[in-house]
Amino acid sequence: EADIYQTPRYLVIGTGKKITLECSQTMGHDKMYWYQQDPGMELHLIHYSYGVNSTEKGDLSSESTVSRIRTEHFPLTLESARPSHTSQYLCASSEYRGLSSGNTEAFFGQGTRLTVV
Amino acid sequence: SQKIEQNSEALNIQEGKTATLTCNYTNYSPAYLQWYRQDPGRGPVFLLLIRENEKEKRKERLKVTFDTTLKQSLFHITASQPADSATYLCALPNTGNQFYFGTGTSLTVIP
Repeated sequence: EADIYQTPRYLVIGTGKKITLECSQTMGHDKMYWYQQDPGMELHLIHYSYGVNSTEKGDLSSESTVSRIRTEHFPLTLESARPSHTSQYLCASSEYRGLSSGNTEAFFGQGTRLTVV
Repeated sequence: SQKIEQNSEALNIQEGKTATLTCNYTNYSPAYLQWYRQDPGRGPVFLLLIRENEKEKRKERLKVTFDTTLKQSLFHITASQPADSATYLCALPNTGNQFYFGTGTSLTVIP
């Protein structure tokens, strides 16, 4: 069982609300990721981090922001939620072994299913 | 960026048969490739990693091959069971070592 946790598991909120999706891992991994996945569709990388104070945008443009103040914590924030943000958000982490060796496998949380009404 | 293609059609097979799933990629050749399993409503779970200098990797009933000339990986489940029913994803690192996932192949094993 992976030691990476996401809360909440399900969230239904109204348009315009600010929300933060929480992600924590206890494996001491440097790299963390946020993916967005619609039902039956592929995972799209929206944010990633190499470690504390590092945040990068992924290939899929997202209006969300992330922060990495502590190694174990990688929250994702939407300042003003819209119905187009309705999706499943998956957090993951991996150990990074440098450019030549790359990453170990990614460990995923259970996901947060967000519905904006 | 890397383009990853997996069998777009869902795969239905009889219990006990071997399931074979395909992952094709374009652009640069990755140093390694991974396979994950995803059940509905849950995050993917890592299954196997194969490096570019390895032709084949096995783990219990799972076997993965990696052909860097064809830019293709095959994922086999032998003696398939209904519990193997899930979506299987291949994942590759891009040049910046981020994980990119294929669209996945849905496998149903019929008892």
